[in-house]
This record gives sequence, C-alpha cells and structure tokens, in this order.
Amino acid sequence: GAGVSQTPSNKVTEKGKYVELRCDPISGHTALYWYRQSLGQGPEFLIYFQGTGAADDSGLPNDRFFAVRPEGSVSTLKIQRTERGDSAVYLCASSTGDGLNTEAFFGQGTRLTVV
Amino acid sequence: GDSVTQMEGPVTLSEEAFLTINCTYTATGYPSLFWYVQYPGEGLQLLLKATKADDKGSNKGFEATYRKETTSFHLEKGSVQVSDSAVYFCALRSGATNKLIFGTGTLLAVQP
Repeated sequence: GAGVSQTPSNKVTEKGKYVELRCDPISGHTALYWYRQSLGQGPEFLIYFQGTGAADDSGLPNDRFFAVRPEGSVSTLKIQRTERGDSAVYLCASSTGDGLNTEAFFGQGTRLTVV
Repeated sequence: GDSVTQMEGPVTLSEEAFLTINCTYTATGYPSLFWYVQYPGEGLQLLLKATKADDKGSNKGFEATYRKETTSFHLEKGSVQVSDSAVYFCALRSGATNKLIFGTGTLLAVQP
C-alpha cells in the first residue's frame, strides 16, 4: 500500500478482554515502531522492531503488552486482560532504517476504548 | 532521560498572523530534531527536521532552527492560514536509542 495501514481503526472492548491491533508498514521498511497516544498527550514509545526482532521494548508498560513481527513486515500488538487505563490511540510507524535522520511514516492509528 | 518540552496550547491566531511555538529539549549526545503535524482526522506527518546545530529545517512556509546553546527548536511561520490549523508536535531522536521522543503537542487554531 501507499502508506502505513492500521486495523481496526476503532476497537471497543470490555475490561479484562484480549485485543490484537494490526500494523501493515510501508513495503520494504525494515524498522517498525509502536506508540501510544493518550488524550492531550504526545505519542509515547512502546516498542521498536528492526526486521523480525524487537530491538527495544523498553516502553511496554507491563507484561500484559506484547508485540510480534514474525516475517519482518506486518506487526501485531497484543494486550491481555485489558484495563480502562489502556484506552488510547495506538500508533504504528515505519521507516527504511533506524538512522537518526530517517523519516518515520505514521499510520492513522487504532483508537482503543476499554469499557 | 531525553525529553521534549513545548508550549501549551491552544494557540489561537487570526489569518496572516505570525506564529511561534516554543520547543526545548534535553538529550544526551547530539539528537536530530523534528516537527510533526497532525491535521484533523489525519495521521502524524513530518513537517520539517534538522540534524545538527545551526541547521534550519523548512517546509510549507514553516521554519525551525536547531539551537544547541539554548537547546531549542522553535517553530515559526510568518503568515498563518486557516489550513494550518492542526496539532504540532516537537520531537527528538538521539543516538542512544532510535525512538522518537515527543512533546505533548500544541493545538493551533487559525481563524479567518
């Protein structure tokens, strides 16, 4: 596709349920990032993949959050036992590499609401 | 750790007014600096960037200069338009990690 695609665009789930959020990066982009944006805040880093491996997962808030990128393209962010505090917009970004000057392209995000 | 501080909004201006959105940063080493923009209903887009001290990034009439001595990267535009209404995010990326670190965002509303 032409840009980073995230599905679903909106997700409402009940507290305690499991959710998966999907990110399709731009074709050929080796670096993939997940961010979380709460209302009125800037995006907050969660995890970074270079290829298939998680190069930096220091932003994952706890062990209920997990992400995979098994073939180095599509990535899935998984949240177990969701809590109301997990409600936010989850953003995915991809780039051609991980250099300081490399532009990261963002998807439109998945708005997660935990009720 | 690395961080970005930007002025709180909302900033409300009339069309053709001069815009400044302040941004300062704290970082180890020599980060690259970015301004991202989020238009209503759209995803984050890179507006401009600067990679070393005294560099000036520019795009769509917006400018920002990387000031190492004041650790700042203020965004400016000489004459704003209604179409510039959006949320603007200052961000940095340092060599210590490849992640972008964002400020909290500044909402700009331009009135005709």
